[in-house]
Amino acid sequence: DSGVTQTPKHLITATGQRVTLRCSPRSGDLSVYWYQQSLDQGLQFLIQYYNGEERAKGNILERFSAQQFPDLHSELNLSSLELGDSALYFCASSVRTSGITGELFFGEGSRLTVL
Amino acid sequence: DAKTTQPPSMDCAEGRAANLPCNHSTISGNEYVYWYRQIHSQGPQYIIHGLKNNETNEMASLIITEDRKSSTLILPHATLRDTAVYYCIVRVSFSSNTGKLIFGQGTTLQVKP
Repeated sequence: DSGVTQTPKHLITATGQRVTLRCSPRSGDLSVYWYQQSLDQGLQFLIQYYNGEERAKGNILERFSAQQFPDLHSELNLSSLELGDSALYFCASSVRTSGITGELFFGEGSRLTVL
Repeated sequence: DAKTTQPPSMDCAEGRAANLPCNHSTISGNEYVYWYRQIHSQGPQYIIHGLKNNETNEMASLIITEDRKSSTLILPHATLRDTAVYYCIVRVSFSSNTGKLIFGQGTTLQVKP
């Protein structure tokens, strides 16, 4: 158990719909990362938040957005869903402390199926 | 961050050592080598990391060549539960960048009985 909690574990929805994925980081971790893993693309970095602020952006579509709340949990919002958005979405967290080469702790993922 | 090259797949007999190579010929002096693994659709799991010295922990050993252009992850006694995709990643010190990891395609290790 990494200590990172993601909900829901599974989600089935239709094209054009909107969903929200939730991530609770490990206690004390200030950084949250979102990754997408589809069959043909591998693990793709989407976005990172640190203590409520966006810190890094990867290959995140404009239809997707994320935020990190004051209690440090994060949500990934996916809208106007397409079939190609079907994937595993992972959240990871880490401690950001100067001088420490910290590891990322990953949750078990949310599996999104768009029909 | 430097790019890495790994073989797409490898087999290993159960109980034997698994040696997973990684080439990172463009690595910079301030970049670390990280290894993660992903067991079938689970979240990736940290294994080990190093800068230039060899490292060992309860899971594995990391051997980095003197010129730092390649490294080898060693699982000393592979078990069936070690069957997974292993990712080699190079990244600058956590404190000097965002901390994100960029994953390549990794090596699929199949441990066979």
